[in-house]
Amino acid sequence: EAQVTQNPRYLITVTGKKLTVTCSQNMNHEYMSWYRQDPGLGLRQIYYSMNVEVTDKGDVPEGYKVSRKEKRNFPLILESPSPNQTSLYFCASSYPRPGELFFGEGSRLTVL
Amino acid sequence: AQTVTQSQPEMSVQEAETVTLSCTYDTSENNYYLFWYKQPPSRQMILVIRQEAYKQQNATENRFSVNFQKAAKSFSLKISDSQLGDTAMYFCAFGAPGAGSYQLTFGKGTKLSVIP
Repeated sequence: EAQVTQNPRYLITVTGKKLTVTCSQNMNHEYMSWYRQDPGLGLRQIYYSMNVEVTDKGDVPEGYKVSRKEKRNFPLILESPSPNQTSLYFCASSYPRPGELFFGEGSRLTVL
Repeated sequence: AQTVTQSQPEMSVQEAETVTLSCTYDTSENNYYLFWYKQPPSRQMILVIRQEAYKQQNATENRFSVNFQKAAKSFSLKISDSQLGDTAMYFCAFGAPGAGSYQLTFGKGTKLSVIP
């Protein structure tokens, strides 16, 4: 089954404790991206990757890091989480039609 | 930079009736893509319908259709014969060709409630 898998789905953590949200897709998509969703703000792009070892900032990259060492994986790293990073996070991939994103199920992150 | 505006934060519709969700966008591009995504309470984001700007014909997918007005930069979604399963957040999104074509700019969403 074609899918984008995120883990964890839910996480409560404390300020400053490093965490990683994993994302994996099994569709051989070249493009992958991370979004955060906040009430009243819609989805905003954090980082994206056009291919292996190619990443770039989206609209709200501050406080986040990403890596793309393998085509299928695109982890999101919060080196020192802060309460303003409490949000719902989505990983997405796309191929072959531009813009037709396949989303993961979302990861609800709470930073205390 | 492109912007996408959904002016209706919340809407409701009676089951079996028709409802139209509005979306406007601002861009200097001539070729681009427009999308409607649905997010039910399960949180999963699901592509509802897609429109290429160069196509004059409005896209349709079963009960879902769009009214694409390129000159007015308007892209509304019409849901016919509304069903309880249509209850969801609906997001309008814009994508432009080129290196950024895989990146989408989303509106803030419209929460649709279908009332039995």
